[in-house]
Amino acid sequence: DGGITQSPKYLFRKEGQNVTLSCEQNLNHDAMYWYRQDPGQGLRLIYYSQIVNDFQKGDIAEGYSVSREKKESFPLTVTSAQKNPTAFYLCASSSQHRGLYVLTFGAGSRLTVL
Amino acid sequence: DQQVKQNSPSLSVQEGRISILNCDYTNSMFDYFLWYKKYPAEGPTFLISISSIKDKNEDGRFTVFLNKSAKHLSLHIVPSQPGDSAVYFCAASESYRDDKIIFGKGTRLHILP
Repeated sequence: DGGITQSPKYLFRKEGQNVTLSCEQNLNHDAMYWYRQDPGQGLRLIYYSQIVNDFQKGDIAEGYSVSREKKESFPLTVTSAQKNPTAFYLCASSSQHRGLYVLTFGAGSRLTVL
Repeated sequence: DQQVKQNSPSLSVQEGRISILNCDYTNSMFDYFLWYKKYPAEGPTFLISISSIKDKNEDGRFTVFLNKSAKHLSLHIVPSQPGDSAVYFCAASESYRDDKIIFGKGTRLHILP
């Protein structure tokens, strides 16, 4: 089955530590995205990548970093510079649906900073 | 400043009745609108979309209505079923490429037995 796999599902981190969230897709999609969801909030775009070896900052990129060395993989690193990292993180890729690009999301990773 | 607003955090509807979820937007450049459905601890899934050249799009039990002059769209679910209980996100984009898609805060729909 094609889809997006995020790991780990739950992650705990001490303050000051970097942590990397994994996102892998076997959908052969070019574009991939990272969103953050906080309680009562919409999804906010952190980073996106439209092609291998290229990525752009979204609305809330500070304190995060990404890489896109392979089409299938788009890992997100939450650095110690991110002031409020506790959140639910969603990875997505996009494909065309009747001429419109729509997002396919992974199941998410919940990060808690202790 | 929120460009996509879902002013009702939650909504309860009797099973079998119509569910109407509302969404307002402020950016007149938005051309494409989408609805996503999300269950707890899962990623959102695409539900239905509409382009600004249309005022209605229907897919089975789901219909989205767009009123461009009012900058308002709504999602109708008829009839509502227990499996429809979820959080619904309204989203909008200025282009068919969704790298600038903006999401609302979501509305939690409860379908009552």
